[in-house]
Amino acid sequence: EVQLVESGGGLVQPGRSLRLSCAASGFTFDDYAMHWVRQAPGKGLEWVSGISWNSGSIGYADSVKGRFTISRDNAKNSLYLQMNSLRAEDTALYYCAKDKADYGDAFDIWGQGTMVTVSS
Amino acid sequence: QSVLTQPPSASGTPGQRVTISCSGSSSNIGSNTVNWYQQLPGTAPKLLIYSNNQRPSGVPDRFSGSKSGTSASLAISGLQSEDEADYYCAAWDDSLNGYYVFGTGTKVTVL
Repeated sequence: EVQLVESGGGLVQPGRSLRLSCAASGFTFDDYAMHWVRQAPGKGLEWVSGISWNSGSIGYADSVKGRFTISRDNAKNSLYLQMNSLRAEDTALYYCAKDKADYGDAFDIWGQGTMVTVSS
Repeated sequence: QSVLTQPPSASGTPGQRVTISCSGSSSNIGSNTVNWYQQLPGTAPKLLIYSNNQRPSGVPDRFSGSKSGTSASLAISGLQSEDEADYYCAAWDDSLNGYYVFGTGTKVTVL
């Protein structure tokens, strides 16, 4: 079964850091680009960051550029999001999503998300 | 970074046809294909339409997509109660550094 499972969310104070993980199974992980998408409570979807199969292409939304870092470990079938200098507006459910191809296509598999709450 | 514009809501009775519009610009919809996602209450988004009008395996043919210029639309024919959900269009944007842009979302209510 194709599956993405996110972890690492929680309550964190403004200015602190958090690292999210996404464990992939059921498909050849290193054949596809991967992405992080977030959804603030009661709001719409926002693409956060994406990474190609070999980490050669990486992109970030302006709202997180310079604070968040995406990475992947193909040997461990895992995707990561290092989030630094967190702000209240980063509070959201963070989804891991699989690209249909190697960057630049639709997102055909989604995890269930991990909640990040930034508050003092 | 821009967003794609959708109407906040749409509704219909069972069996009716509902259409959702998605307006973008030359750097996103005008240059790239459009995808649509369905998000049922309390669940993760699901890919509904990709490459403007292609349905992934398992998606009923009641759902169809189209694109013209810098706009796209999703049609749901034969509306069913289980179609009540939020729908988002999305496309890659070719602006500086490239990014993926989602629509503002449309809540479909089955009356």
